[in-house]
Amino acid sequence: GAVVSQHPSWVICKSGTSVKIECRSLDFQATTMFWYRQFPKQSLMLMATSNEGSKATYEQGVEKDKFLINHASLTLSTLTVTSAHPEDSSFYICSASLQASSSYNEQFFGPGTRLTVL
Amino acid sequence: KQEVTQIPAALSVPEGENLVLNCSFTDSAIYNLQWFRQDPGKGLTSLLLIQSSQREQTSGRLNASLDKSSGRSTLYIAASQPGDSATYLCAANDYKLSFGAGTTVTVRA
Repeated sequence: GAVVSQHPSWVICKSGTSVKIECRSLDFQATTMFWYRQFPKQSLMLMATSNEGSKATYEQGVEKDKFLINHASLTLSTLTVTSAHPEDSSFYICSASLQASSSYNEQFFGPGTRLTVL
Repeated sequence: KQEVTQIPAALSVPEGENLVLNCSFTDSAIYNLQWFRQDPGKGLTSLLLIQSSQREQTSGRLNASLDKSSGRSTLYIAASQPGDSATYLCAANDYKLSFGAGTTVTVRA
């Protein structure tokens, strides 16, 4: 099956620093990757959609300058949380889809990254 | 905007009982609906995906039905086991995945 990995699985950082999270599709080429955030006891909220080689599309209310997304290759997308603050502490999950539209294709999810900002 | 609701929020049953998890969505113009399992602190495991043209999907002890016109899907888990304890999420796909808050299931041995 399609496997998606994330690195790191957890990270603790000081307030004001930046943190980069990697999302890789291990056995397929992902035209589209998605980034979600999940707060405790809450559902997943889509943050942004990224297509390889183009700028990410951010959901309403998500600060594009704070959450930098790069999708430089068909197997790697990165999310950088810039100047992280305690309220950015959350569980970040990426997913990858085989085609540009997610309409008929499953999204394959990574294992998530737990970010704690002190 | 698609709103997805899951009822109940939590469920505790003795081992062997059948589980019924409900999911409702507000916009019936979906491409498909997906059920996931999430263990504490972990990512998502896809269980079943039902295309909009389908009425149900089955995998082992799991069966999911979809009634697009009424905006409802139900996940049935037969003969529950303690290993089924997890949070179950449904997600409606109308180009984007919109997730419900999940049903947390505890199966008591």
